[in-house]
Amino acid sequence: DTGVSQNPRHKITKRGQNVTFRCDPISEHNRLYWYRQTLGQGPEFLTYFQNEAQLEKSRLLSDRFSAERPKGSFSTLEIQRTEQGDSAMYLCASSLDNGSEQFFGPGTRLTVL
Amino acid sequence: AQSVTQPDIHITVSEGASLELRCNYSYGATPYLFWYVQSPGQGLQLLLKYFSGDTLVQGIKGFEAEFKRSQSSFNLRKPSVHWSDAAEYFCAVGDNDMRFGAGTRLTVKP
Repeated sequence: DTGVSQNPRHKITKRGQNVTFRCDPISEHNRLYWYRQTLGQGPEFLTYFQNEAQLEKSRLLSDRFSAERPKGSFSTLEIQRTEQGDSAMYLCASSLDNGSEQFFGPGTRLTVL
Repeated sequence: AQSVTQPDIHITVSEGASLELRCNYSYGATPYLFWYVQSPGQGLQLLLKYFSGDTLVQGIKGFEAEFKRSQSSFNLRKPSVHWSDAAEYFCAVGDNDMRFGAGTRLTVKP
């Protein structure tokens, strides 16, 4: 399967712990995006990369959140000192370039107890 | 600031009936507009998109949408709904930092 993959699919953690999610985009895609989706809402943009460069970050991305794409391929999203309010589905998407269709992965569902 | 409003949280239609899902947007320039569908446990799938040109856009699965600049709308339509269309539908505006609406949940009655 050559779609966007995300791991893990589910993560349960205790408040205060750190978590890291991984996204593998479609191989030839230059752009990679992270979104957060809470129950009953649409996805909210967090950040995006052009190759390895992080070009934009939403105000939603507090200093507890960090994203990397070190080699311009896969990306990681780390949340430090998790809070219950971080419980959500974290979606990754990739696209060829600006304005191209974004292909979404299945998401990582985070539950913070 | 760009934003999207989907006024209908939940819509129920009978199988075979026509469907229209509403979307209104706020955007400073000519918008890139999208409709995505999300089924339970599935990722978001693009139904169609509008960048420029013909304001009536055809998508996959028999869906179409019409861009109306004067009304700041991009409503999604389908002439005959199938039971498999039951899902959550999201309208989105923008390009890199896409803004999504809150979604409309579609239920299809047999």
